[in-house]
Amino acid sequence: NAGVTQTPKFQVLKTGQSMTLQCAQDMNHNSMYWYRQDPGMGLRLIYYSASEGTTDKGEVPNGYNVSRLNKREFSLRLESAAPSQTSVYFCASTGTSYEQYFGPGTRLTVT
Amino acid sequence: AQRVTQPEKLLSVFKGAPVELKCNYSYSGSPELFWYVQYSRQRLQLLLRHISRESIKGFTADLNKGETSFHLKKPFAQEEDSAMYYCALSESFNKFYFGSGTKLNVKP
Repeated sequence: NAGVTQTPKFQVLKTGQSMTLQCAQDMNHNSMYWYRQDPGMGLRLIYYSASEGTTDKGEVPNGYNVSRLNKREFSLRLESAAPSQTSVYFCASTGTSYEQYFGPGTRLTVT
Repeated sequence: AQRVTQPEKLLSVFKGAPVELKCNYSYSGSPELFWYVQYSRQRLQLLLRHISRESIKGFTADLNKGETSFHLKKPFAQEEDSAMYYCALSESFNKFYFGSGTKLNVKP
């Protein structure tokens, strides 16, 4: 039981490049989330998916897109990376207890 | 609008001293509040939630609706409590808002 997994662990992009961050959970959770963590800002919700087939914007959705591919997988895409998107990205999922289970994070640097 | 405020970036205490990590929130409905902890090189994990009214690792948190606070307390800090602590508020269990975090450093 791996819980929440994220790939890649680290990534360096140049401004304007695109990439997709992958997230998967094996706990049969309905809800999944993407956060970014910046120094002094805590975690800010980018997008979430309350169930398979639905996605909604969080606090900071600009510059990102998401896909809830199936119940297990929730990906985050940066179409044209900007230095302001340099951050640590966390994926999380919740089940019926509403406890959030977090992935290990992806450290993204945009130069 | 900032929904969760943690005013202290860093809190340093000596082992055995009491600890209080402050959390204030703004929310018009009935909030669901949580404390999450991130130990060094570990994932962010739930410490406790107010609805459970439980004590985890000696920590407790009381919801004070009048002061809109959910401070985390422990009477005697241990070195292994050193970590980053985040207060979080849930809006209908779909959206979660996290504070900026407080780093707790327990000195020997």
